[in-house]
Amino acid sequence: EVQLVESGGGLVQPGGSLRLSCAASGFTFSSYDMHWVRQATGKGLEWVSAIGTAGDTYYPGSVKGRFTISRENAKNSLYLQMNSLRAGDTAVYYCARARNSDGMDVWGQGTTVTVSS
Amino acid sequence: SYELTQPPSVSVSPGQTARITCSGDALPKQYAYWYQQKPGQAPVLVIYKDSERPSGIPERFSGSSSGTTVTLTISGVQAEDEADYYCQSADSSGTYEVVFGGGTKLTVL
Repeated sequence: EVQLVESGGGLVQPGGSLRLSCAASGFTFSSYDMHWVRQATGKGLEWVSAIGTAGDTYYPGSVKGRFTISRENAKNSLYLQMNSLRAGDTAVYYCARARNSDGMDVWGQGTTVTVSS
Repeated sequence: SYELTQPPSVSVSPGQTARITCSGDALPKQYAYWYQQKPGQAPVLVIYKDSERPSGIPERFSGSSSGTTVTLTISGVQAEDEADYYCQSADSSGTYEVVFGGGTKLTVL
């Protein structure tokens, strides 16, 4: 079964750091681009970062310089290192796979990050 | 930054046709994707590359594109189709930027 499982969410103080993980199974992880997408409660989807099969990385301006996406193909794992966290980063964080122009066709169930003092 | 514009809400009766639009300047140059999200669940891809339907998605879901607007059409709407729908595309300016529309709440009356 193709599956993505996120972990690592939790409560963190403003200015703190957190590392999210996404474990992939059931497909050739190294052949897919991977994304992180977040959703604040009651709000829409917001793209957070992407990493290509060659390790190229991409970020929107809202997180650039604070968040770092990485992957470890040998462990079928995706990561998101989040530093200098703000209240506005509070959200459910999803990982999703994508290939070529086929869209984000598999999503995890999400992990919740709460930034609060 | 690049934006995709969707109507906040669309309402239809069961069996009718629902049309959800998404507008963006780069849509003539970039593919659009549509995701369905039900409360408490992760998004599900229902349309890719403007009009392609992934396996397992019912035939009543279709997509089309015309100029700067793409449209998700749900024919013969069923109660189970009530959900939030998001379009997604990318900027065409040369920078890699994935963008989601604000989402449309589909209500089945």
